[in-house]
Amino acid sequence: DQQVKQNSPSLSVQEGRISILNCDYTNSMFDYFLWYKKYPAEGPTFLISISSIKDKNEDGRFTVFLNKSAKHLSLHIVPSQPGDSAVYFCAASEADSSYKLIFGSGTRLLVRP
Amino acid sequence: DVKVTQSSRYLVKRTGEKVFLECVQDMDHENMFWYRQDPGLGLRLIYFSYDVKMKEKGDIPEGYSVSREKKERFSLILESASTNQTSMYLCASSLRGRGYTFGSGTRLTVV
Repeated sequence: DQQVKQNSPSLSVQEGRISILNCDYTNSMFDYFLWYKKYPAEGPTFLISISSIKDKNEDGRFTVFLNKSAKHLSLHIVPSQPGDSAVYFCAASEADSSYKLIFGSGTRLLVRP
Repeated sequence: DVKVTQSSRYLVKRTGEKVFLECVQDMDHENMFWYRQDPGLGLRLIYFSYDVKMKEKGDIPEGYSVSREKKERFSLILESASTNQTSMYLCASSLRGRGYTFGSGTRLTVV
């Protein structure tokens, strides 16, 4: 049973618009969440994270929102750029086994020029 | 800059072969991980290690084993390669959880 779910396998947006990538989780013990970005033939790279004590974290064009009651987080990219086209993975970890990340299945984002 | 290096970018092996995937990190990280990435399934944890000579099974350990004789090196072993082990294999390391650094991946094809 998947503990971290990304229900949209793909997303296409126009350059300059907002991209919203969604992630749902089932394990209430998760206390730390991360987003990774992956280009083809490369390893994932860390993008942004959020602790469960916060509901928002912002880093430049990237903002992650966490709704604990809904067990839902989202990544907002504003404005979207063609270089943002990649696969985005949501990941989560528990405090008592924080060295292990559980990943979602990924969302492929295409930003159209 | 911190680095996780996987020895091969592409490998083609025959069914039944014993396959070794090597991963080396230069960050003195305690924790190391092996994942495989498959379309629609995301990254699934095969094995991880939180110290030298220590290892724990992840979610899909069947058909795999690992070795960590030195802190910087974590090897994934396919005892007898099968076609369903054709995948992208990703190694990662972390200091104390939370943030991973990934290698570039090894695309393994078993024929």
